[in-house]
Amino acid sequence: LAKTTQPISMDSYEGQEVNITCSHNNIATNDYITWYQQFPSQGPRFIIQGYKTKVTNEVASLFIPADRKSSTLSLPRVSLSDTAVYYCLVVEDTGRRALTFGSGTRLQVQP
Amino acid sequence: ETGVTQTPRHLVMGMTNKKSLKCEQHLGHNAMYWYKQSAKKPLELMFVYSLEERVENNSVPSRFSPECPNSSHLFLHLHTLQPEDSALYLCASSQFPNEVTEAFFGQGTRLTVV
Repeated sequence: LAKTTQPISMDSYEGQEVNITCSHNNIATNDYITWYQQFPSQGPRFIIQGYKTKVTNEVASLFIPADRKSSTLSLPRVSLSDTAVYYCLVVEDTGRRALTFGSGTRLQVQP
Repeated sequence: ETGVTQTPRHLVMGMTNKKSLKCEQHLGHNAMYWYKQSAKKPLELMFVYSLEERVENNSVPSRFSPECPNSSHLFLHLHTLQPEDSALYLCASSQFPNEVTEAFFGQGTRLTVV
């Protein structure tokens, strides 16, 4: 089970780009990198998933270097509503495990 | 709206009460999960059901009893709880019972044990 390390908290201002980096040094060949977002008193919500290079969707971009030992979630032009906890998870493609969450990164967006 | 509905949203119960949390998914998923989130702590996986069969039980005390009568419904029966069981209880579902498949979470039930 690949362990992830991400900052406990980050602060930003509206309109800025936010990059949250996650390290996962012992990621395995069958592992994918997945990010979830959780607002207070709600369940987590899937944001993005990738294996290598770059993935982009309407919410965020995910950058994964060639060695895959880290990944960066990029949120373009954040707003107050992006204030949430962001979880980086390394997930195994072939296993039968359920999602296991760490402490995540608490992002606070200021006006 | 995630397609996973939990009721009730809030519940206050005494330590001698018996109550049940309900979860319903309209996504046609085969796997359902219960998670517990205490204040300032990460989500803790409690139970995993795949095609109505319990496939994982993460050392959860017996005062929590899950039930999955069909692939769309999941219950968590509660009895003789302790104040430290107060938490946000989250239900989730996914197409397959593995972590790489996107999971959809309900809004949760905020439980307070008094």
